Amino acid sequence: SQQGEEDPQALSIQEGENATMNCSYKTSINNLQWYRQNSGRGLVHLILIRSNEREKHSGRLRVTLDTSKKSSSLLITASRAADTASYFCATVYFDYKLSFGAGTTVTVRA
Amino acid sequence: EPEVTQTPSHQVTQMGQEVILRCVPISNHLYFYWYRQILGQKVEFLVSFYNNEISEKSEIFDDQFSVERPDGSNFTLKIRSTKLEDSAMYFCARPGQNRDGYTFGSGTRLTVV
Repeated sequence: SQQGEEDPQALSIQEGENATMNCSYKTSINNLQWYRQNSGRGLVHLILIRSNEREKHSGRLRVTLDTSKKSSSLLITASRAADTASYFCATVYFDYKLSFGAGTTVTVRA
Repeated sequence: EPEVTQTPSHQVTQMGQEVILRCVPISNHLYFYWYRQILGQKVEFLVSFYNNEISEKSEIFDDQFSVERPDGSNFTLKIRSTKLEDSAMYFCARPGQNRDGYTFGSGTRLTVV
């Protein structure tokens, strides 16, 4: 299985701080994606990084990918209360289906 | 891109009953996926559907499950005889342009009692 696994499982930070979560996977991938899920809601795509890319930015999000270590990180800068959610990495092999990790629950305290 | 709509948002059913979950992703998309998420657990792949046929299915997707595209735009997941362990959120999804990210529906929360 090429499922991603995130750590930490849970993260609690103060508003304005940065939040960093990591994802590790097992097999070669086509790309890796990060999703956000608010409690009881659907999954929202945040950012995609391809296997030949090392870093990508989108607004306050920064994603890195290290294919030699089979790992990725998601950094949320200057966190806000609205960033409180669960964050999932999902690896995509060449069959295009998503394989999700267990997620990191982020709580941003006002 | 337009959203993916799922109905119903919540369904409660008796064990052994059949349920049909619906998704309206947009008629000109060829690829669709169903995923499920048991409460507090990871999102799991169920089945992928390409050009009106199943292209891949997981071990979870046993004979009790079926998918159809009955009228070219709606996309259904049927569970023939529900079990308690089928209680979960069910999501349909379609790939974005150039397969850049996936758009997920808001989900159907299925509760089997």
